[in-house]
Amino acid sequence: RKEVEQDPGPFNVPEGATVAFNCTYSNSASQSFFWYRQDCRKEPKLLMSVYSSGNEDGRFTAQLNRASQYISLLIRDSKLSDSATYLCVVNGAGNNRKLIWGLGTSLAVNP
Amino acid sequence: EADIYQTPRYLVIGTGKKITLECSQTMGHDKMYWYQQDPGMELHLIHYSYGVNSTEKGDLSSESTVSRIRTEHFPLTLESARPSHTSQYLCASTSLTELNSPLHFGNGTRLTVT
Repeated sequence: RKEVEQDPGPFNVPEGATVAFNCTYSNSASQSFFWYRQDCRKEPKLLMSVYSSGNEDGRFTAQLNRASQYISLLIRDSKLSDSATYLCVVNGAGNNRKLIWGLGTSLAVNP
Repeated sequence: EADIYQTPRYLVIGTGKKITLECSQTMGHDKMYWYQQDPGMELHLIHYSYGVNSTEKGDLSSESTVSRIRTEHFPLTLESARPSHTSQYLCASTSLTELNSPLHFGNGTRLTVT
């Protein structure tokens, strides 16, 4: 089993749809979690950190479920510009904590 | 906005040449990384550093080498470039001491070896 797993998709949704991605992780000692967005041939950019209490930034909501060891990203009222690959990143425990990247979930928002 | 810079953005070079990809950050981050990524594929960690004079190999074997003489600077060198080195190289940094510190990426260097 991979340390961080994501459904690669692609997810094809119409504009205005709500779409949700999950990301599961295997190390229960993992301490911090992030969602990144990557456009084709560009560098990954931080979308959101994921906090234990869940957090929201406009149309984006991130949640952490430690018991089931997954994080989620919800996008409401999706826009054409949301089309990208969404990468889940998990950071382990300790000072030398290792960053583990998911393979990404591809989203295409269609007009 | 993160302050991490990579140069050059694009490089086309012949086989056998020595090249150095530059990466600098002005955030005082201790941890720096080099990733390699082919189009549509996953990120592969090739090198990382926890601070000055610290360098480690990543998960993906690479013929490149790195150095960390100054906190802000983490150059990557290929002694003899080959077509198999054609890829995008992404530099990133993060704080070692700040909890939940995310990774900040540079714009990347797209390398083509002919």
